[in-house]
Amino acid sequence: DGGITQSPKYLFRKEGQNVTLSCEQNLNHDAMYWYRQDPGQGLRLIYYSQIVNDFQKGDIAEGYSVSREKKESFPLTVTSAQKNPTAFYLCASIDQWSYEQYFGPGTRLTVT
Amino acid sequence: AQSVTQPDIHITVSEGASLELRCNYSYGATPYLFWYVQSPGQGLQLLLKYFSGDTLVQGIKGFEAEFKRSQSSFNLRKPSVHWSDAAEYFCAVGAGNNDMRFGAGTRLTVKP
Repeated sequence: DGGITQSPKYLFRKEGQNVTLSCEQNLNHDAMYWYRQDPGQGLRLIYYSQIVNDFQKGDIAEGYSVSREKKESFPLTVTSAQKNPTAFYLCASIDQWSYEQYFGPGTRLTVT
Repeated sequence: AQSVTQPDIHITVSEGASLELRCNYSYGATPYLFWYVQSPGQGLQLLLKYFSGDTLVQGIKGFEAEFKRSQSSFNLRKPSVHWSDAAEYFCAVGAGNNDMRFGAGTRLTVKP
């Protein structure tokens, strides 16, 4: 089955540590996205990538970094510079013919 | 830049009653419009989408939405709600450059 996988589902880290969230897709989509979800705020765009080796900052990129070395993979690193990293993180890709976004199941990150 | 407003944070309806979730958007041209549903702790699933043509679009799970250009609205409706419809619903607007914006979401509670 084609889709998006995110791992792990739950992640716990101590404050001051960097942490990398995994996102893999086998849909052959060029564009991929990272969103952060907090209660009552919907989805806020962190980074997106239109193509391999290229990515753009979204609305809340500070404290985050990404890479796109392969079409299938778009990992997100939450750095120690992110002031409030505890959140639910969603990865998505988009079918550029139908403009439909496909979402992964999400990773809940808790930093204490 | 486009934006999306979902005026209702939380709606409660009785099982079997009709449902309407509101969505207003701001965009210079005719946008691509979407409704997604999210169960707790999960990713988002597409319910329906509007690109052009017939302003009343049918989606999965018995949902429909109507695009009203004059009101900049894309409200989601269902004639008879089932207990399994309890979830969070997101309206989204997209532009041709793969830039997607989401509303803050409406949480639906279904009373028995």
